[in-house]
Amino acid sequence: AQKITQTQPGMFVQEKEAVTLDCTYDTSDPSYGLFWYKQPSSGEMIFLIYQGSYDQQNATEGRYSLNFQKARKSANLVISASQLGDSAMYFCAMRETSQTGANNLFFGTGTRLTVIP
Amino acid sequence: DTEVTQTPKHLVMGMTNKKSLKCEQHMGHRAMYWYKQKAKKPPELMFVYSYEKLSINESVPSRFSPECPNSSLLNLHLHALQPEDSALYLCASSQALGSGRLSDTQYFGPGTRLTVL
Repeated sequence: AQKITQTQPGMFVQEKEAVTLDCTYDTSDPSYGLFWYKQPSSGEMIFLIYQGSYDQQNATEGRYSLNFQKARKSANLVISASQLGDSAMYFCAMRETSQTGANNLFFGTGTRLTVIP
Repeated sequence: DTEVTQTPKHLVMGMTNKKSLKCEQHMGHRAMYWYKQKAKKPPELMFVYSYEKLSINESVPSRFSPECPNSSLLNLHLHALQPEDSALYLCASSQALGSGRLSDTQYFGPGTRLTVL
């Protein structure tokens, strides 16, 4: 079974509008971490935001916020006031504590976001 | 600006060549990673080094040979590659493997685009 599911292969958003990128995850581990990365066409994976499974508040970093719904096992990324530079591939990833001695990230298949002027 | 650097940015090599990819991080991290990413796919973990020791090898063919000369440097030696090895090779680093902290974030370099002819 997929550990991370991103059901939107592509999304479009008008410049200055907000957009939500979906991510659902599958784990039986009570303790886990969720990450979002941005990958522009240049290739670099840029860390955006982190949410821990026990964090009481939804994570926020500037224009990025995470809509974390633990019971639904979803961790959607919200980008507010979209900019042309936000056009990129976005990956959701998860780490579980049950991975003994490992620091593996399970990545989703990604969502390509295009910001329209 | 990323604090993980990778050279070269692009590499074209024949199947009989020997080449090396280099990665350097300036964040004092003690864990370093190699990922392989095919077009329109998420990154796939290849190797993990923790405190300069190889801790994870994800069943990578022996034509890929990693080396960690010190805590800041990570090399990937390539020999007798196949055309299907053409991909983006990403290096990443994090504070420490086994730190027990789920929030131990991996920071990526810009990648090397490898083409095997």
